[in-house]
Amino acid sequence: AQKITQTQPGMFVQEKEAVTLDCTYDTSDPSYGLFWYKQPSSGEMIFLIYQGSYDQQNATEGRYSLNFQKARKSANLVISASQLGDSAMYFCAMREEYSSASKIIFGSGTRLSIRP
Amino acid sequence: DSGVTQTPKHLITATGQRVTLRCSPRSGDLSVYWYQQSLDQGLQFLIQYYNGEERAKGNILERFSAQQFPDLHSELNLSSLELGDSALYFCASSGGQGAGETQYFGPGTRLLVL
Repeated sequence: AQKITQTQPGMFVQEKEAVTLDCTYDTSDPSYGLFWYKQPSSGEMIFLIYQGSYDQQNATEGRYSLNFQKARKSANLVISASQLGDSAMYFCAMREEYSSASKIIFGSGTRLSIRP
Repeated sequence: DSGVTQTPKHLITATGQRVTLRCSPRSGDLSVYWYQQSLDQGLQFLIQYYNGEERAKGNILERFSAQQFPDLHSELNLSSLELGDSALYFCASSGGQGAGETQYFGPGTRLLVL
């Protein structure tokens, strides 16, 4: 069954440090996509980064990178040089290619707080 | 700005009432998705439309319904509202339906049922 697990309910990180947000997933579909979204206190869901199951290289988008370990079924988000504006909820999500519903399944989220 | 618009931003209503939430997808996107975010249930997929046709249903209550119009905007209708329907309702859109299609979310409609 399709499942996303985020085991860190909350994290505190010092500004300018790198931070890794954990995400593990479970699927029997060989083709799937993994996504990270950011939700600041204002409420909107902001797309950050995408990794396809067949991608050979880890995805990167500016300060965001995705540490994709397919055999371990993990897709951790790495934020380099954290900034105060990075304080938000972060959701890992997955979408299966052959699922009857082309929906995104979200994890429970990690609340990241950046200390000045 | 994701390019997805949702109206209204906030809605306060009473139990038993009916409301309509509206969503306009990004230009060119054919798929529209509705999600509900509540404190106890997290983010839940409700329903998807693709080019006017219903494609997938998730945890959508029978009191809720949706449609996608020829101009591709979508409406989510919530009826016989209960206190537990208070939540943030998101619309998202994507160009297609594949696993690699990124869904871009609107700002959400925050519904409070009193």
